Amino acid sequence: QKEVEQNSGPLSVPEGAIASLNCTYSDRGSQSFFWYRQYSGKSPELIMFIYSNGDKEDGRFTAQLNKASQYVSLLIRDSQPSDSATYLCAVSKSGNTPLVFGKGTRLSVIA
Amino acid sequence: DADVTQTPRNRITKTGKRIMLECSQTKGHDRMYWYRQDPGLGLRLIYYSFDVKDINKGEISDGYSVSRQAQAKFSLSLESAIPNQTALYFCATSDAGTGIHEQYFGPGTRLTVT
Repeated sequence: QKEVEQNSGPLSVPEGAIASLNCTYSDRGSQSFFWYRQYSGKSPELIMFIYSNGDKEDGRFTAQLNKASQYVSLLIRDSQPSDSATYLCAVSKSGNTPLVFGKGTRLSVIA
Repeated sequence: DADVTQTPRNRITKTGKRIMLECSQTKGHDRMYWYRQDPGLGLRLIYYSFDVKDINKGEISDGYSVSRQAQAKFSLSLESAIPNQTALYFCATSDAGTGIHEQYFGPGTRLTVT
């Protein structure tokens, strides 16, 4: 089982819709969870992180964490064509190990 | 000014050549990382350093070496470049003091080995 799994996509949503991106992780002791956005040929950019069960909202983005089910999701409300990118999920297992990244989900927002 | 810088941004080199990629940061972070990214393979960790005297191998360290010259500088060397090292290379930093360990990435170096 891979440590951090994401559906590679592409996930296509119409402009204005809600995009839902999902990530599962294998280490039940994982502590912090991150979402990065990466445009083609560019570096990953941190969108938000979450470490407590439940929802965390930042503008159009909401991160959801369910530690019992070992999944974390990212919702993007009112999706825009500029949101078209690859979204990387990353997990921190402890303070003494680097983040573990999933391979990313490619999102395409259709105008 | 960018907080994490990488030089060069693009490099074309020949098989067998030794090259160095450099990373500098002004964020004051203690931890630094080198990744490579290939299409379909995601980010793969090459080496990481949690402080100046600490160097650790990642999942794909063969063929690479690193040097942590100062807290702000972390260099990646390819001793004898080969074509399958053609990739996009990223440096990243993090601050152990936050307890969250989020990483911040440099702009990347596109390396082509012919």
